[in-house]
Amino acid sequence: GQQVMQIPQYQHVQEGEDFTTYCNSSTTLSNIQWYKQRPGGHPVFLIQLVKSGEVKKQKRLTFQFGEAKKNSSLHITATQTTDVGTYFCAGKTSGFQKLVFGTGTRLLVSP
Amino acid sequence: DGGITQSPKYLFRKEGQNVTLSCEQNLNHDAMYWYRQDPGQGLRLIYYSQIVNDFQKGDIAEGYSVSREKKESFPLTVTSAQKNPTAFYLCASSLRQTTYEQYFGPGTRLTVT
Repeated sequence: GQQVMQIPQYQHVQEGEDFTTYCNSSTTLSNIQWYKQRPGGHPVFLIQLVKSGEVKKQKRLTFQFGEAKKNSSLHITATQTTDVGTYFCAGKTSGFQKLVFGTGTRLLVSP
Repeated sequence: DGGITQSPKYLFRKEGQNVTLSCEQNLNHDAMYWYRQDPGQGLRLIYYSQIVNDFQKGDIAEGYSVSREKKESFPLTVTSAQKNPTAFYLCASSLRQTTYEQYFGPGTRLTVT
């Protein structure tokens, strides 16, 4: 079945450092979504990418969808302690009804 | 206030008992979902529903049951057949099932001893 993996599983950075998480699908995706889950909280939608090679920015966050639509990345510039949480990608294939969540990357930011 | 509510936040049950987790949304969303999250793990889909009176099994449906009698409500029953029921359960909804973002409830943490 469709699988979505994320790397790294965990990253600990100093405040101000950059952070990137990568998402890789075993199959071509029709779209990819990114969610953030704060410790003890629930996932919150961040963004959706649909087009091949698409890049979207939200302040310090940059999201990219690969040309082959099988991978995606989230890059945070100059992390802040408020960025702490687990970031999940979630992808859907065109012929498949379900959104498949990635394994998540847990980010810890030290002040 | 529009959103998804799940109750209770924490639930404790003895092994062998069925337990029903509630999920209500007032977003007028057609699609609803149940996920299970284990510590340090991703989200695994249990059941989903695209419309009232219709639902499909997700990846880990064994030991669970659902109903969708009303658009607003999608309760999940964790039966005694579920071998490892202790987990964090998240309910979500989306406008439709296709490419729309999912809105999550606050979750219910179920502990079975």
